[in-house]
Amino acid sequence: NAGVTQTPKFQVLKTGQSMTLQCAQDMNHEYMSWYRQDPGMGLRLIHYSVGAGITDQGEVPNGYNVSRSTTEDFPLRLLSAAPSQTSVYFCASSYRISSTDTQYFGPGTRLTVL
Amino acid sequence: QQPVQSPQAVILREGEDAVINCSSSKALYSVHWYRQKHGEAPIFLMILLKGGEQKGHDKISASFNEKKQQSSLYLTASQLSYSGTYFCGTEEESNFGNEKLTFGTGTRLTIIP
Repeated sequence: NAGVTQTPKFQVLKTGQSMTLQCAQDMNHEYMSWYRQDPGMGLRLIHYSVGAGITDQGEVPNGYNVSRSTTEDFPLRLLSAAPSQTSVYFCASSYRISSTDTQYFGPGTRLTVL
Repeated sequence: QQPVQSPQAVILREGEDAVINCSSSKALYSVHWYRQKHGEAPIFLMILLKGGEQKGHDKISASFNEKKQQSSLYLTASQLSYSGTYFCGTEEESNFGNEKLTFGTGTRLTIIP
């Protein structure tokens, strides 16, 4: 199993540009989520999904869109990048949040918006 | 509601014990613990569910006090490999079924030889 994969690893955008961060998992997990991590802020939930076709907002959803057309993929779209979106983005997956099974994080995407 | 972790940072010598606390003002259903090394992804350590028992493996264990909405992570006889930032994530009882996990700001643990 590859686990949770994320692409790209690094990205530099100009203000106003749009892009999609890719996330995929091969463990047949129902639950997938996106977090952003900023210094001193911990991990903040952006969007999450409990299964294909079902998504919901987390703490900081503004400026981001998601969709879940398959169990494996959960892309995160930045509609119009802003410097405040400079961060490290992590995708994670597990069976369910309350499951005692492990929640796996991807390696992260480091995004800089100029 | 973001849980509060304490201490924010701690420095230990190899072999010493550490306790990291995580508390919430909300009634909790579960508490998750993760460790993250610099530049890497968080790694899952354990989850404690309401009504469950204290968990542990090797020299890392954790407890969940449901009355106080508080969890503690215990690291005994710390090793150099334990260095990193520890995060707790909480699932509120009122949000149970909504699958939302809220993380604290982390505790940076440094182990020196």
